[in-house]
Amino acid sequence: KAGVTQTPRYLIKTRGQQVTLSCSPISGHRSVSWYQQTPGQGLQFLFEYFSETQRNKGNFPGRFSGRQFSNSRSEMNVSTLELGDSALYLCASSRRQGGRTDTQYFGPGTRLTVL
Amino acid sequence: SQKIEQNSEALNIQEGKTATLTCNYTNYSPAYLQWYRQDPGRGPVFLLLIRENEKEKRKERLKVTFDTTLKQSLFHITASQPADSATYLCAPPLLNAGNNRKLIWGLGTSLAVNP
Repeated sequence: KAGVTQTPRYLIKTRGQQVTLSCSPISGHRSVSWYQQTPGQGLQFLFEYFSETQRNKGNFPGRFSGRQFSNSRSEMNVSTLELGDSALYLCASSRRQGGRTDTQYFGPGTRLTVL
Repeated sequence: SQKIEQNSEALNIQEGKTATLTCNYTNYSPAYLQWYRQDPGRGPVFLLLIRENEKEKRKERLKVTFDTTLKQSLFHITASQPADSATYLCAPPLLNAGNNRKLIWGLGTSLAVNP
């Protein structure tokens, strides 16, 4: 079974631009979560989608948004990029949302650099 | 607020020894706790899950304990090998107001096993 895929793997943008990242979960997984990871802050939860609905949200500004499609694929968008948005963005899928266990299967990440 | 703390300093041990990593949580009582391994530039990989009614869980050279009184989980790697060098993350779930679980993550402990 194919793992979680994320595209693109690397991205360089300038301040003020916007960016869209894509995530395809493992087949059969309906929950997709997004995380931002930076060296000092660790894994910071952005949001989680299940059946095209946002079920959980972290403490990020409204510039960060996401959506999920009917095939469970998900995108996240960051508008008006700031230097501090430079990070590794990770997508994780799981079989059930709010189930008894929420083991996350992570993709390789998208490395975003904002200049 | 709910908080996860892991050994902040990197752990350096000699090959063949047992590595012990600590995860402490405060201000809540998770029903279970997960441990993940992360290699540089890659997404975390699930290792083990332990539930609140389990004192100990083993998988090959890995052992996890869960002490709900101390609010602590210990992660042990026995007969450590240089290939075990990585960052290890602790992730207990947190229920939000809508009864949806999301994982909250420690910053991780970096382990280096020296040959």
